[in-house]
Amino acid sequence: KAGVTQTPRYLIKTRGQQVTLSCSPISGHRSVSWYQQTPGQGLQFLFEYFSETQRNKGNFPGRFSGRQFSNSRSEMNVSTLELGDSALYLCASSLGLAGGFEQYFGPGTRLTVT
Amino acid sequence: GQQVMQIPQYQHVQEGEDFTTYCNSSTTLSNIQWYKQRPGGHPVFLIQLVKSGEVKKQKRLTFQFGEAKKNSSLHITATQTTDVGTYFCADDTGRRALTFGSGTRLQVQP
Repeated sequence: KAGVTQTPRYLIKTRGQQVTLSCSPISGHRSVSWYQQTPGQGLQFLFEYFSETQRNKGNFPGRFSGRQFSNSRSEMNVSTLELGDSALYLCASSLGLAGGFEQYFGPGTRLTVT
Repeated sequence: GQQVMQIPQYQHVQEGEDFTTYCNSSTTLSNIQWYKQRPGGHPVFLIQLVKSGEVKKQKRLTFQFGEAKKNSSLHITATQTTDVGTYFCADDTGRRALTFGSGTRLQVQP
């Protein structure tokens, strides 16, 4: 079956702009989690959605938001971009809530903020 | 918040040598998951450990969960160039979010 897909794969934005990233989970997976990966901070949890509801949230400012649709596809939005938001954004899907189930990661969206 | 520390940050070995990465926490870990990320790739799930003292093997890889559930380790016997990548442990913090360790980058010299 098809893996997790993320679009776009690469993105260049300017400070102050906003961006929306998309994630399509594996068919049948109801949980989608988002992570930010940077060389300095490693893999940091942003939030998790399950059945269209945000179930867990990491320690990120309110500029980072997300949502999940009835088909389990998810989007994350970052408003008022800052240079420090440059990172690889990974989404992962799982059968159940992230804790306790293996996560299947997508290829990521590489965001560069200039 | 909870922190999961991983050591070493980086290890360079000759092909055929063994390799171990350690995952430590000052608080009790819930369940540990291990992932491997190849250069330029995304994390791929390797295994989950749940019970205190648990040991699991996957071919040349041996995973352990400490008796006190405050540490875990991944040992690779006789490394191969295909083992190159970054290995992450992650705690599920009581079936909530996954808290990832900082990762250990493994380089294997042929």
